This record gives sequence, structure tokens and C-alpha cells, in this order.
Amino acid sequence: GAVVSQHPSRVICKSGTSVKIECRSLDFQATTMFWYRQFPKQSLMLMATSNEGSKATYEQGVEKDKFLINHASLTLSTLTVTSAHPEDSSFYICSASQGKNYGYTFGSGTRLTVV
Amino acid sequence: AQSVSQHNHHVILSEAASLELGCNYSYGGTVNLFWYVQYPGQHLQLLLKYFSGDPLVKGIKGFEAEFIKSKFSFNLRKPSVQWSDTAEYFCAVLTGTASKLTFGTGTRLQVTL
Repeated sequence: GAVVSQHPSRVICKSGTSVKIECRSLDFQATTMFWYRQFPKQSLMLMATSNEGSKATYEQGVEKDKFLINHASLTLSTLTVTSAHPEDSSFYICSASQGKNYGYTFGSGTRLTVV
Repeated sequence: AQSVSQHNHHVILSEAASLELGCNYSYGGTVNLFWYVQYPGQHLQLLLKYFSGDPLVKGIKGFEAEFIKSKFSFNLRKPSVQWSDTAEYFCAVLTGTASKLTFGTGTRLQVTL
């Protein structure tokens, strides 16, 4: 079945630094990738949608300059949290899709802690 | 904008008990509906989905869900839960031509021996 690999699974960084999270579709080409943020005991909140080769579409309230998304190929998307602050600490999850009729495959998530 | 409600936040059941988790959505048009499960420390996995056809959908691990259009509901059921079903369950909806999933807040299921 379709597999999405997300790295790192856990990262601790200092306030003010940047962190890059990778999301790879291992055995399929993902036309669209999604980035979610999950707060404790809450739902997954969609941050942005990215299509290969084009700029990401950000949800309302998500700072595009802070959460940089790159979808350079059909198998790789990256989320860079720039100038991270403690309030950016969260669980970030990516999802990849070949199209809605094919379904959505999720990565295992990245626990970001900013100290 | 569409929204998804899961009214049960935390459910505790004994093994072999029957399960029903509620999911309601707010959208008047065509919907595609999903249930995902997240086992502790693991990624979200698809349990089942409804796109069209028979409103009673059977998924993996003995789960099923029924789409009731008049009630805007897509409740998840399992006749007899196992300890290994302990996990977080998320309902999600895809509306119209959108490719974005909207998730409910999730229900934590705890199955005791």
C-alpha cells in the first residue's frame, strides 16, 4: 500500500532557529501534499496544501513567511518552521494524495519542541 | 465552511462490548466521508470511506459505518471491540470539488480487559 515517510519524528530546537521537516511518498507520486498541525487532545488543523511545482495555498491564519512549504517533486514536500518560538511547539503531520479518489496517506508526524 | 462534530471525546468500553462513535457534518452538498484511526505512537490509518453507493460501508478490522444523509451523520460501529482497538478515532469529510479533508476533534477509545 501507499506509504508516506516523514522525518524527523521528533526534534528539539532553540528559540529563533529554523527547523525543516520532510515528507516523502515512497511508492507513489503525490500530486498534492497537505500539512497539518495537531494540538494536544484536538483535531488536525490543515495549515496548507501544496501541489508539485507551484506555490502552496495556506489556510486562513497561517503565516506563510513563518511556515515555508516547498513541493519540489512529486515525491517530496518540506515544511520549514522559521524563527521558531515556543508557541510553535506542536505535532506536525503531512499527508499525500494522488487525487481524492485515491485517498490520503499520512506520515507518522513530527513532534517539534522549541525551547 | 464545512465542519465535523464528534460528540464523544473519550469512550471507555470493556472488551466484547459494542461500539458506536458519532460523527455529524455540516454541509448541504455532495460529501465524501472517512474514518481514520491513530494507534498510540503511530500515523493515521484509513478505516473506511464512503464516496457513493451503499450507505453502509464496511472497513478493516470489523468496523463499519453508515451514511445517513438526512441526519448528516456517518457513525462508526463495531459489534465487539478488542483491547487492541484502543486508539484515537477521527471522522473526516471531503466536500464538493475540494481536495482538503476537514477533521473532527477525535474520539479517544479505551478498551479495558
